[in-house]
Amino acid sequence: SQTIHQWPATLVQPVGSPLSLECTVEGTSNPNLYWYRQAAGRGLQLLFYSVGIGQISSEVPQNLSASRPQDRQFILSSKKLLLSDSGFYLCAWSRSGTSEAGELFFGEGSRLTVL
Amino acid sequence: KNEVEQSPQNLTAQEGEFITINCSYSVGISALHWLQQHPGGGIVSLFMLSSGKKKHGRLIATINIQEKHSSLHITASHPRDSAVYICAATGNQFYFGTGTSLTVIP
Repeated sequence: SQTIHQWPATLVQPVGSPLSLECTVEGTSNPNLYWYRQAAGRGLQLLFYSVGIGQISSEVPQNLSASRPQDRQFILSSKKLLLSDSGFYLCAWSRSGTSEAGELFFGEGSRLTVL
Repeated sequence: KNEVEQSPQNLTAQEGEFITINCSYSVGISALHWLQQHPGGGIVSLFMLSSGKKKHGRLIATINIQEKHSSLHITASHPRDSAVYICAATGNQFYFGTGTSLTVIP
């Protein structure tokens, strides 16, 4: 069966510090991978998605970047965090080739607080 | 205006009540998803449907493609159903509603 893991679950970082959130998927190959941010009282906002190793599409210009160094690994990074980066970040995956109708599977989420 | 609108935003019910959460969308879609987000933040997929109706235990999801509307029903609600329920539409990307926060009181 497929599983998705995301860590760390909780992170408190000072403004200007770097960020690295990691996500790995097991039990499938060549998944579509996504990073979402959920702000309080708002819907999920797509930040990045990837259809393959090294292929990253950015939906929202911001202080964040994403990388996919391996097929089932997706990393969200920042060189210098801003207060506005605080939020709940979710990694997700869907099966490739059927992304338009495929089911979306979410990680446990990472709650980031920037002070 | 959001591509996916949910109502109500907040819902409080007594244990045992029948609950309905509504979702309307304005984009062309290939599928409609209902997701459940627990207080800890984790999200699980409840349903993915493109037509008709699906049922899992006490949960029922319906979709009317012509009216661009979907409903999630919970029969005999229980406090453990308390969560945020999110509607998501799949078109050329995933579009998410802002969620309905459900609290079921014993």
